[in-house]
Amino acid sequence: SQTIHQWPATLVQPVGSPLSLECTVEGTSNPNLYWYRQAAGRGLQLLFYSVGIGQISSEVPQNLSASRPQDRQFILSSKKLLLSDSGFYLCAWSLSPRGGSYEQYFGPGTRLTVT
Amino acid sequence: KNQVEQSPQSLIILEGKNCTLQCNYTVSPFSNLRWYKQDTGRGPVSLTIMTFSENTKSNGRYTATLDADTKQSSLHITASQLSDSASYICVVSADTGFQKLVFGTGTRLLVSP
Repeated sequence: SQTIHQWPATLVQPVGSPLSLECTVEGTSNPNLYWYRQAAGRGLQLLFYSVGIGQISSEVPQNLSASRPQDRQFILSSKKLLLSDSGFYLCAWSLSPRGGSYEQYFGPGTRLTVT
Repeated sequence: KNQVEQSPQSLIILEGKNCTLQCNYTVSPFSNLRWYKQDTGRGPVSLTIMTFSENTKSNGRYTATLDADTKQSSLHITASQLSDSASYICVVSADTGFQKLVFGTGTRLLVSP
């Protein structure tokens, strides 16, 4: 069966510090991978998605970046955090490189607080 | 602009009672509609997925309906349990050739004993 892991579970970082959140998927090959952010009282916002190693598409311009160094590893980074980067970050994976009704499976999330 | 709106924002019901959550969307071109359950501090978990041709789909005590003409969906929860307390998120997928989802802000349900 497939599982998705995220770490850390919670993180408190000062403004201006770097960020690295990691997501790994087990039990599947060549998944689509996604990073979402959920701000308080708002819907999930897609930040990045990837259809393969080294292939990253950005949905929202910001000071965050993503990388996919391995097939089942997805990393969200920032060189300098802003207060507005606080939120709940979710990684997800799905089958199918193109549309369709394939399910997206979400990880447990990382709660980031920028102080 | 693609949008998903949910109502009510929050709801409190007694254990054992039924409830219905609403979702209106303006996503085009439409591919499918999903309902997710999200426990506090956890990732969303899928309850149902419905395509254009499906009017209703059930998952245990959860029944989702879809009216593609009026672009409305509902999630009915029968015989609520304390464990149903969570946020319920309506999500619509646009048929853009890639699985991009538009998320509603959710309905926060509290089932009280």
